[in-house]
Amino acid sequence: QKEVEQDPGPLSVPEGAIVSLNCTYSNSAFQYFMWYRQYSRKGPELLMYTYSSGNKEDGRFTAQVDKSSKYISLFIRDSQPSDSATYLCAMSGYTGNQFYFGTGTSLTVIP
Amino acid sequence: GAVVSQHPSWVICKSGTSVKIECRSLDFQATTMFWYRQFPKQSLMLMATSNEGSKATYEQGVEKDKFLINHASLTLSTLTVTSAHPEDSSFYICSARVDGNTEAFFGQGTRLTVV
Repeated sequence: QKEVEQDPGPLSVPEGAIVSLNCTYSNSAFQYFMWYRQYSRKGPELLMYTYSSGNKEDGRFTAQVDKSSKYISLFIRDSQPSDSATYLCAMSGYTGNQFYFGTGTSLTVIP
Repeated sequence: GAVVSQHPSWVICKSGTSVKIECRSLDFQATTMFWYRQFPKQSLMLMATSNEGSKATYEQGVEKDKFLINHASLTLSTLTVTSAHPEDSSFYICSARVDGNTEAFFGQGTRLTVV
């Protein structure tokens, strides 16, 4: 079983839609959870960073962590064509010396 | 967020030659840097973790004599691909962790093509 599972998609939505991206994990020691956005041929860009369970909101983006279910989500409201990218979830334990990445979900927002 | 600069962004080299990729943290000191390799439409594959002033820790299956990593200062790590082979063609990405924090910031990536 992989440490982190993420549906690779592809996911295609119309502009303005609410997008839900999800990851599940198996290691209960994970404490830090991150979402990265990666455009084609570019390095990943950190979008959201949360610690332990709960919600965090930043503009159109909301990250949710449910440690009891080992499930994290990223919601994108009012999606824009510029949101078209691959979204990677990542997580680590207390030390942060090793990160575990999902395979990434490819998202296309259609104008 | 913190800025990590990776250079070059792309490089083409001949088989048998060596290529050096630089990763710099521009506005913070990074005690730990990570080197990844990414194949098309796949996730990041950790190659090695480097801590400033000490030898890098390589993941299983990564040849340390082929992928030389140097982390000589708190703002610079280099990856040298030695005796490059077409199989080494890939997208290489570095990331750096701010000391005391756990989130990591990524460079822009380097696309290596070995001909």
